[in-house]
Order: sequence, then structure tokens, then C-alpha cells
Amino acid sequence: RKEVEQDPGPFNVPEGATVAFNCTYSNSASQSFFWYRQDCRKEPKLLMSVYSSGNEDGRFTAQLNRASQYISLLIRDSKLSDSATYLCVVNYADSSYKLIFGSGTRLLVRP
Amino acid sequence: EAQVTQNPRYLITVTGKKLTVTCSQNMNHEYMSWYRQDPGLGLRQIYYSMNVEVTDKGDVPEGYKVSRKEKRNFPLILESPSPNQTSLYFCASSLRGRSTGGQYFGPGTRLTVT
Repeated sequence: RKEVEQDPGPFNVPEGATVAFNCTYSNSASQSFFWYRQDCRKEPKLLMSVYSSGNEDGRFTAQLNRASQYISLLIRDSKLSDSATYLCVVNYADSSYKLIFGSGTRLLVRP
Repeated sequence: EAQVTQNPRYLITVTGKKLTVTCSQNMNHEYMSWYRQDPGLGLRQIYYSMNVEVTDKGDVPEGYKVSRKEKRNFPLILESPSPNQTSLYFCASSLRGRSTGGQYFGPGTRLTVT
């Protein structure tokens, strides 16, 4: 079983749609959680950190469910420019400070 | 401008010819790390460094070396590259190892070993 699992997609949605991605992680000791965005052949860029109480940044909302060990990303009013791969990232609470990346969920927003 | 830079961006080389990929950050970050990204496998950590002269292995360190003599630089060395090291490589940095701000990534180095 992968440490961080995501549905690879692609999710193909029209502009203006609301789309949600989930991600599950296997290590209950995981401490920090992030969503990164990666455009084709480019570097990953931090989209948002995920906090225990949930957090929102404009059209993006992230949620954390520690009991069920999953995090989610909700995108409202999708734009063409949201087309990208979204990476779920988990940071272990041990001395390695290692980031564990999911393989990503691909989003395609069509006109 | 705060950034992580990598050089070269593209490299085609032959098996066994030593190479170095440089990484530099201008944000005074303590933590630096190297990843490789392969289709279907996602990003995997090669080596990381908590601070100057402190380095440790990630998930896939075989065939790679690193050094951290200065805070801003973290070069990745392939002493004898092999075709299975053909990949997209990213360097990343963060203020500390466990940073709620996540990590900043360089633009990537696409390496082909023939």
C-alpha cells in the first residue's frame, strides 16, 4: 500500500464547476499536510497548507480528517487556469522531516 | 527574488560519466532536499540536509552523493550514472525541516543517461 494515495484522474470538468479531490495517508503519525500544484513539466508549487480546523484560500478549501486519515481539496468555480496536477503531501512527525508525495490527481477544466 | 535555482536544466550524458547538478537557494533556508520524479512513481526523496555539513539519505539514495558545505548550495553528484537514473530531478528548500510553509522547488533538471 502506498503511503499517500490519490485518484490519478483525470477529472474533466467544465468551467465554473466545483470539483473535489481526496487523498488518504497511511501513517497516523503524520504531522503536516499540504496540497501542491504541478503544471506539466514544471516544478511543484505550494498551493496551501492543510490545518486541522480546515482552511480556505479564495476558491480553494482544504480539510483534514485525522480519524479517517484523509485530506481533501475543494475547488469552486473552476477556471481554465486550474488545469494541472494536484499533489497531496504529508510530512512525518519524526526526525527525517521527510515529505511524502502522492502521485497526483490530474484536473482538466474545459471551456 | 526568492528562488531555488538548478543547473543545468537539461542534460544528456553517457553511462559512467560523472556529473554534478547544482542547486542554490537565496532564502537562507536551513533545509534542502533532492527529489526525482518518474511517471507513475511520483516524487521520491534522494537525499536531504538539515543544515551545513548535515546530510542524510532519503528513499532512493543509491547511485547519488550530496554535500552541504555552504548553506545556500546543495549539489547532487552522480559518480557513475546509469540509464535507470534518467529522470526529472528537483531540488527544494525550506526554512526548517518541519515547515508549515512547505518547500520551495527549483525548476527541475531533466537528465537522460544513454
